[in-house]
Amino acid sequence: DVKVTQSSRYLVKRTGEKVFLECVQDMDHENMFWYRQDPGLGLRLIYFSYDVKMKEKGDIPEGYSVSREKKERFSLILESASTNQTSMYLCASRAGGSGANVLTFGAGSRLTVL
Amino acid sequence: RKEVEQDPGPFNVPEGATVAFNCTYSNSASQSFFWYRQDCRKEPKLLMSVYSSGNEDGRFTAQLNRASQYISLLIRDSKLSDSATYLCVVNLRPRGSARQLTFGSGTQLTVLP
Repeated sequence: DVKVTQSSRYLVKRTGEKVFLECVQDMDHENMFWYRQDPGLGLRLIYFSYDVKMKEKGDIPEGYSVSREKKERFSLILESASTNQTSMYLCASRAGGSGANVLTFGAGSRLTVL
Repeated sequence: RKEVEQDPGPFNVPEGATVAFNCTYSNSASQSFFWYRQDCRKEPKLLMSVYSSGNEDGRFTAQLNRASQYISLLIRDSKLSDSATYLCVVNLRPRGSARQLTFGSGTQLTVLP
């Protein structure tokens, strides 16, 4: 089974702090994604990456950046955390190719910004 | 209008009941459809894909209505363990685009003893 591991389950940060959320997958998937999940809004795509060093903005990229230096690792960075970035962050990976649609998620990182 | 829309519920049903959820999507060119299940404080996991002719997996039946642009999930003989949030997921983008999947906000189901 594909395993997607997120480094931190729970984080509490202060406004203005820099936050790193890391995600590692072990099945050589080309595509990796970062979502945030908020009540009533569902999952919203922040950024995704379809290859090493490649990235594309999702629906809500403002306030976030990403890094993909190695195929298995996709990091989400909050340069200066704000209270409206308090959320559940979910990383996912997916194999490449047009026929591959299934996402495998990590367990999530719940971030609270005070 | 949201691209993928679900009734948020909550649906509270007794054990053994049959319950159905619908999900509407806005893009008639959508290619693929899925139901994911998310338990409380856990990550979403694929429950089943939805095929054009409809498909069944045990107590779960998924159907697609392209003319009316909705998919449905039917759960028969509900179990306590079916309590979860069910997420409708639609591939709205052209085939081959990595940025394909759009999630509904989920329908919450609680099965009561």
